[in-house]
Amino acid sequence: DTEVTQTPKHLVMGMTNKKSLKCEQHMGHRAMYWYKQKAKKPPELMFVYSYEKLSINESVPSRFSPECPNSSLLNLHLHALQPEDSALYLCASSQGAGGSQPQHFGDGTRLSIL
Amino acid sequence: AQTVTQSQPEMSVQEAETVTLSCTYDTSESDYYLFWYKQPPSRQMILVIRQEAYKQQNATENRFSVNFQKAAKSFSLKISDSQLGDAAMYFCAYRRGGGNTPLVFGKGTRLSVIA
Repeated sequence: DTEVTQTPKHLVMGMTNKKSLKCEQHMGHRAMYWYKQKAKKPPELMFVYSYEKLSINESVPSRFSPECPNSSLLNLHLHALQPEDSALYLCASSQGAGGSQPQHFGDGTRLSIL
Repeated sequence: AQTVTQSQPEMSVQEAETVTLSCTYDTSESDYYLFWYKQPPSRQMILVIRQEAYKQQNATENRFSVNFQKAAKSFSLKISDSQLGDAAMYFCAYRRGGGNTPLVFGKGTRLSVIA
């Protein structure tokens, strides 16, 4: 069982919809991450939150909007997505944002854009 | 920019045998960390093993061990006594030391285990 919980596991949405992905961890980790992973490719970093503040935004389009309401919860708000945004979205957390801290991943949300 | 290269897109191994997955990286940093992650079809990325660049001793976790050659910038993963559950995509990853640094992944090696 994963200690990083992502919901929903699957999401199908139209290009005009608004939806949110949710990620939760109760390990006391203070850094949380969103990754996008296309089929047969490695994960690509989207955002990093450290102590509930956005510390890295890898030039992600504004149709993706992250939110960190508290140290245990990370959301990714989606609006007006494009078909090329269909992918597996992985959340991860680590004790801190330092390079030595291993990241623990959730099972991901598989997103399909119609 | 740091890069991670996995030159073997696919590998296969007989059950109970040993297999080595290759990884090289390019960096000018002296403070960094290297990781191997496993991603089975169930999708979850699972940390297999971690190596600190400042440590000369190779990391070991049960059946998994690494051969860390710092001068050659090589970080291979050896899986001993391979099991069917080891079948997965394996990603080598690099992370610079300090805070708020991204995890840079290689393209992955798909490992098949033959019964």
